[in-house]
Amino acid sequence: NAGVTQTPKFQVLKTGQSMTLQCAQDMNHEYMSWYRQDPGMGLRLIHYSVGAGITDQGEVPNGYNVSRSTTEDFPLRLLSAAPSQTSVYFCASSKKGRNTEAFFGQGTRLTVV
Amino acid sequence: GNSVTQMEGPVTLSEEAFLTINCTYTATGYPSLFWYVQYPGEGLQLLLKATKADDKGSNKGFEATYRKETTSFHLEKGSVQVSDSAVYFCALSATPGANNLFFGTGTRLTVIP
Repeated sequence: NAGVTQTPKFQVLKTGQSMTLQCAQDMNHEYMSWYRQDPGMGLRLIHYSVGAGITDQGEVPNGYNVSRSTTEDFPLRLLSAAPSQTSVYFCASSKKGRNTEAFFGQGTRLTVV
Repeated sequence: GNSVTQMEGPVTLSEEAFLTINCTYTATGYPSLFWYVQYPGEGLQLLLKATKADDKGSNKGFEATYRKETTSFHLEKGSVQVSDSAVYFCALSATPGANNLFFGTGTRLTVIP
């Protein structure tokens, strides 16, 4: 069982470049989300989706775009990368509802120079 | 708003020592509370949870009790092992219909033989 799969694992971008972080899950979970992890700040929610075709902003959405065309996939787009977006990004999925276990991918370490 | 305050690390303990990691929270409504663990090079995984006041979550020898009167969810283990070395995150979820997690900053635990 693959669970939550993120690609790539590492990426270096130049300021102003765009890219898409991929996230796929095979557990038929309705809910998917993206977090960024920065030193001393824990994980912060960027965007989330409660089902195909539905997305919403989290705590730190600026500079990021998402879409959810299928239940399985939830890509995160950086439109014009900035050094402040250097971080480790985690995708998570779970069943709907706030009591459920979240399953996390292994993370993408992004450096913007 | 929602926030989690977690004991600063790092924490270094000898094998078989007692562990406490403090966690307090602020939330609108009645949150669910979680402890997630991150082993080196991996994503987060659920350690335990509690969904209402006075609930005790437990797993792998770890325990935490949901204390509404002190808004706390402290993590404890009676006898730690080297394999418990990891980063521990306290988190809450309070958004109806969505598993949006608010995390503490994380506490790195190192257990030495």
